[in-house]
Amino acid sequence: GAVVSQHPSRVICKSGTSVKIECRSLDFQATTMFWYRQFPKQSLMLMATSNEGSKATYEQGVEKDKFLINHASLTLSTLTVTSAHPEDSSFYICSAGKGTGTDTQYFGPGTRLTVL
Amino acid sequence: AQSVTQLDSQVPVFEEAPVELRCNYSSSVSVYLFWYVQYPNQGLQLLLKYLSGSTLVKGINGFEAEFNKSQTSFHLRKPSVHISDTAEYFCAVSLTGYSTLTFGKGTMLLVSP
Repeated sequence: GAVVSQHPSRVICKSGTSVKIECRSLDFQATTMFWYRQFPKQSLMLMATSNEGSKATYEQGVEKDKFLINHASLTLSTLTVTSAHPEDSSFYICSAGKGTGTDTQYFGPGTRLTVL
Repeated sequence: AQSVTQLDSQVPVFEEAPVELRCNYSSSVSVYLFWYVQYPNQGLQLLLKYLSGSTLVKGINGFEAEFNKSQTSFHLRKPSVHISDTAEYFCAVSLTGYSTLTFGKGTMLLVSP
């Protein structure tokens, strides 16, 4: 199997606070993890790609100081939304790949972030 | 850069009818093609993928897709849909040798009794 979990599934926070979202590959080692953002009724937009032990690669237009990504181990990546604002409210989805090249991405269930 | 076009934002269909969800892609190099399904407030689940070989790919839940290189298409089909197939369907591409996915805007399949 290839199961990816995310925690929390839903979070509500006040404007100005920071929120950490965890993404874990439960039954495989993920050399690469991806973070996506999805607005209501829209497609997924890739935010960043992270490889274990190295700095994340951010897509154009994504603020790396606001969306901190850490890929500390082969089974865990975290996304921290710093100083969150209402416009950061969205559905955040992570995915993990077993290796570089041809492999499939396996998606987590997503985290619904609401910033008041 | 590659891109994906899903021509229909919404496809209404009656239960037990056949359905085709269209996907066209643009790329100057070879690509891998994927279809994912997303149920409300959930992540994405892989339906099927084309990497190489046979152009007709069978996936889970009775879905299949056919890769047509000349038409740069990868349409998703199911001969008889169920109410439970109601969901958002995303077509995606990646460059061969890389895992980064580019998604289409999605097609909402609405199955009614």
